[in-house]
Amino acid sequence: SQTIHQWPATLVQPVGSPLSLECTVEGTSNPNLYWYRQAAGRGLQLLFYSVGIGQISSEVPQNLSASRPQDRQFILSSKKLLLSDSGFYLCAWGFTGNTIYFGEGSWLTVV
Amino acid sequence: DAKTTQPPSMDCAEGRAANLPCNHSTISGNEYVYWYRQIHSQGPQYIIHGLKNNETNEMASLIITEDRKSSTLILPHATLRDTAVYYCIVRVAGVSSGSARQLTFGSGTQLTVLP
Repeated sequence: SQTIHQWPATLVQPVGSPLSLECTVEGTSNPNLYWYRQAAGRGLQLLFYSVGIGQISSEVPQNLSASRPQDRQFILSSKKLLLSDSGFYLCAWGFTGNTIYFGEGSWLTVV
Repeated sequence: DAKTTQPPSMDCAEGRAANLPCNHSTISGNEYVYWYRQIHSQGPQYIIHGLKNNETNEMASLIITEDRKSSTLILPHATLRDTAVYYCIVRVAGVSSGSARQLTFGSGTQLTVLP
């Protein structure tokens, strides 16, 4: 069966520091991969999605970037974090037109 | 993708059925209705989805009106562990150039199951 993992689960970072959140999917090939962010008390916002290695689409202008170096690996990065980057980050996978499944989430607090 | 409207909150007594409504009056013929839930501090969990027929699985039942403009998620015997935010989403089915970016989450319904 397919599983999705993302880490770290919790992160506290100072303003201006870099960020790297990693996500991997097991048990499937060529999935679409997604990064979402959920600010406190709000719905999910799609940040990036990828339909294949090296193919990244950005949904909103922001301080973050994403990369997909391998088929089942998706990385969310920032060179310099802002306070507004704090939130709950979710990695997800799925196939076009089918159900999307989410990871456990990563809590980022920028201080 | 069509927008959805859900009540912001609902309460349900433990052991009773929880009926969560969703309006999606602008849904297109090729859009599915999906339900997810999110327990505090966890990732959203897929529950069920359907196109026009009613659907049932081990977690819930989904009732879609004949005109497809609204649906109801039914948790037949709610437990305290069902307390969560429930999201109703409509999304395009099948393969298309824009479909990879599907799943627009709104604010959902906070369901609180009371002992």
